[in-house]
Amino acid sequence: EIVLTQSPGTLSLSPGERATLSCRASQSVSNNYLAWYQQKPGQAPRLLIYGASSRATDIPDRFSGSGSGTDFTLTISRLEPEDFAVYYCQQYGRSPPFTFGPGTKVDIK
Amino acid sequence: EVQLLESGGDLVQPGGSLRLSCAASGFTFSNYAMSWVRQAPGKGLEWVSGIHGGGQSSIYAESVKGRFTSSRDNSKNTLHLQMNSLRVEDTAIYYCAKDSLPQNGVWDAFDIWGQGTLVTVAS
Repeated sequence: EIVLTQSPGTLSLSPGERATLSCRASQSVSNNYLAWYQQKPGQAPRLLIYGASSRATDIPDRFSGSGSGTDFTLTISRLEPEDFAVYYCQQYGRSPPFTFGPGTKVDIK
Repeated sequence: EVQLLESGGDLVQPGGSLRLSCAASGFTFSNYAMSWVRQAPGKGLEWVSGIHGGGQSSIYAESVKGRFTSSRDNSKNTLHLQMNSLRVEDTAIYYCAKDSLPQNGVWDAFDIWGQGTLVTVAS
């Protein structure tokens, strides 16, 4: 089973600042099958990034994903008020279980 | 509009059973693998189970293997999760989620999620 670790646990930033979230896998994620989701309180998760770096439909270009192998990053270039939420990474592909990281909470400083 | 709507969540005693349903609309249901993901109160996301578009095979997390069974009725665009031998630690919001790409031999990221249904296991 691939274990995903996210850091930091909480990121306190102001609107307009840049957010950099990390996701590290216990073993290499094949074909960079790594996704990022955003979840706001009381809502279902929303897909932001798939394949480590491809933006999902209707996702603003201030969200970008990068990385390969075991180290991945989600960057939000300039935080908007609606971006304060919890972000999860997930590995998927051919080998279940398709684990999620524990999440990074981005809150307002 | 692509939509998923879960139902069936309830309060059940430990050792009991429950069947969740997920009604899909707005896409060709049989072309997509579907999954169940749960979230315990105040906790993170846990993938539970996946089922191929044709329903021919399903996969499970170790925590539910042997107790939960995924199935689907493609004629009714509906996904089910039969949960038996429920435990207190199964208490969670259960989401159904759609693979982002049509069946292609790979389990994909989840591009559409339902709003979730709450399962509470307590005596």
